[in-house]
Amino acid sequence: KQEVTQIPAALSVPEGENLVLNCSFTDSAIYNLQWFRQDPGKGLTSLLLIQSSQREQTSGRLNASLDKSSGRSTLYIAASQPGDSATYLCAVRRETSGSRLTFGEGTQLTVNP
Amino acid sequence: NAGVTQTPKFRILKIGQSMTLQCTQDMNHNYMYWYRQDPGMGLKLIYYSVGAGITDKGEVPNGYNVSRSTTEDFPLRLELAAPSQTSVYFCASSYPTGTENEKLFFGSGTQLSVL
Repeated sequence: KQEVTQIPAALSVPEGENLVLNCSFTDSAIYNLQWFRQDPGKGLTSLLLIQSSQREQTSGRLNASLDKSSGRSTLYIAASQPGDSATYLCAVRRETSGSRLTFGEGTQLTVNP
Repeated sequence: NAGVTQTPKFRILKIGQSMTLQCTQDMNHNYMYWYRQDPGMGLKLIYYSVGAGITDKGEVPNGYNVSRSTTEDFPLRLELAAPSQTSVYFCASSYPTGTENEKLFFGSGTQLSVL
């Protein structure tokens, strides 16, 4: 059974700091991994999707990396801003799970002005 | 574009009542999903559909039913509501998995309380 873990559960940083969010998964036979952002009372927004054959994806100040063999992904946020405050979740799709995603519990990020 | 639209946003049910959560998308996505999110937890898949007329169970299907008569709509039915079904429910859609752009698009959620 695939398990996805995100540590830490919560993170508070001052504005302008570069930061890394971590995601680990137990079964390395994944098809892809997605990072999502969730604002309070809102749905999830997909930020980046990394296929298993890729090492990283970039969008603006966000960079997601994937090390499939070690079961890890990181989301790097450069020059953090208060508007980045949200919960960030990762989700993996296993090769054998069809359309099913397994989600982590998320990291709640607060960027202080 | 409206994207994925869920109604209602909030609902309180009494134990044993039934209701239908509505979900519609205007992106012509084949795949649609229903998830539930309990406080401080990740999302759990309830049901999903890969196209009109085709549905399948996810991780936590007990107590729920779905139908998919059109590409756009994917309603979730709760029969005999129980307190354990108190949660936030999210509908999502995507292009078929295995395509280059299979990112999920989510609705804004339905907060359901069963008392």
